[in-house]
Amino acid sequence: DGGITQSPKYLFRKEGQNVTLSCEQNLNHDAMYWYRQDPGQGLRLIYYSQIVNDFQKGDIAEGYSVSREKKESFPLTVTSAQKNPTAFYLCASSFTGTQPQHFGDGTRLSIL
Amino acid sequence: ELKVEQNPLFLSMQEGKNYTIYCNYSTTSDRLYWYRQDPGKSLESLFVLLSNGAVKQEGRLMASLDTKARLSTLHITAAVHDLSATYFCAVAPKDSNYQLIWGAGTKLIIKP
Repeated sequence: DGGITQSPKYLFRKEGQNVTLSCEQNLNHDAMYWYRQDPGQGLRLIYYSQIVNDFQKGDIAEGYSVSREKKESFPLTVTSAQKNPTAFYLCASSFTGTQPQHFGDGTRLSIL
Repeated sequence: ELKVEQNPLFLSMQEGKNYTIYCNYSTTSDRLYWYRQDPGKSLESLFVLLSNGAVKQEGRLMASLDTKARLSTLHITAAVHDLSATYFCAVAPKDSNYQLIWGAGTKLIIKP
């Protein structure tokens, strides 16, 4: 079955550590997105990628980095510069920017 | 800056009742999406509304869009327990192909 796989489901970060969240899709979608969700709030866009080897900052990109070397993969690195990383991170993909986005099951990141 | 407001943010209702969730947005847009999220889970696309007066229905849920009033509604008819979830609207700023601005979500609890 086609879908989006995020891993790990839970992740703990130590102070000063960079961590990478994985997102893989087999839907043949061109566009991929990373969102952050905090309790009681809507989703906020971190980065998005329209095609391979191209990505743009969203509203809250500071302290995060991404790469898009393959169509299927869009990993997100939460760097030590992100001072408040505790949140639920959702990866999504779509055929185009106007098509509905399909979401993975999310990664919950916490600080040790 | 485009802002999206949903109300109510929390709704507890009895099975069999009807209710409406509202999504207001602050600037011109030509696309609006409704999503459902179960606790701790991913988001599921419900409806895409693309033009003024658009109405979409799926089972007990019906969504509509009034672009002149900058308002979308999600109407629930004869609610059942399985519809308990958090419902989000997301609005695409005009001329934005990939970025969505999300409402804070409406947490809906339907009691037997």
